[in-house]
Amino acid sequence: GQNIDQPTEMTATEGAIVQINCTYQTSGFNGLFWYQQHAGEAPTFLSYNVLDGLEEKGRFSSFLSRSKGYSYLLLKELQMKDSASYLCAVSRDRGSTLGRLYFGRGTQLTVWP
Amino acid sequence: GAVVSQHPSWVICKSGTSVKIECRSLDFQATTMFWYRQFPKQSLMLMATSNEGSKATYEQGVEKDKFLINHASLTLSTLTVTSAHPEDSSFYICSARAGLAGGRTDTQYFGPGTRLTVL
Repeated sequence: GQNIDQPTEMTATEGAIVQINCTYQTSGFNGLFWYQQHAGEAPTFLSYNVLDGLEEKGRFSSFLSRSKGYSYLLLKELQMKDSASYLCAVSRDRGSTLGRLYFGRGTQLTVWP
Repeated sequence: GAVVSQHPSWVICKSGTSVKIECRSLDFQATTMFWYRQFPKQSLMLMATSNEGSKATYEQGVEKDKFLINHASLTLSTLTVTSAHPEDSSFYICSARAGLAGGRTDTQYFGPGTRLTVL
């Protein structure tokens, strides 16, 4: 099985920086994904980490520590449109064609003006 | 690129009827598609993995006779909820695997979802 935990809600103001944490316990590990989901819409891909360290992509960065079962998503220069749910997902199927993803509950981020 | 569509976007049906949901990859071929269910303020729960030309792989606790999956081509997978009941009301989302640039592990691209309401 797998346990994927992330905070339920977070709030921040425009222009600020916010860090969303995700911890996981899983049998087998083949990478960690972050997705953004606006209410009633499909999740959209943000980032992928399979090796330890930081991956930077514009205003968004994602970090992974496999030994600690820990990842975070860092959002800089927050904008109102960043208000959404952020989903942490773990891929378990190493060396397999399945590529299944298992999701956390999501963190609802609200950005205030 | 990597666009996935779903049809219908929403459906309301009577208890006991069957509902078919289509998932299409519009600009790429997907040998593997996935079906998820999401209840309000809950996470996406993987239901099954759909492989083109073979039987679907269901997650533990998902009834394969109730949720019929067919992946007849490299761009189309269908989910049929048979004899739907009110507890089946949920947001059903499909995804399709596409390769990431640089040859890293595949990323899943999600459809817009189908809101099913069973009366």
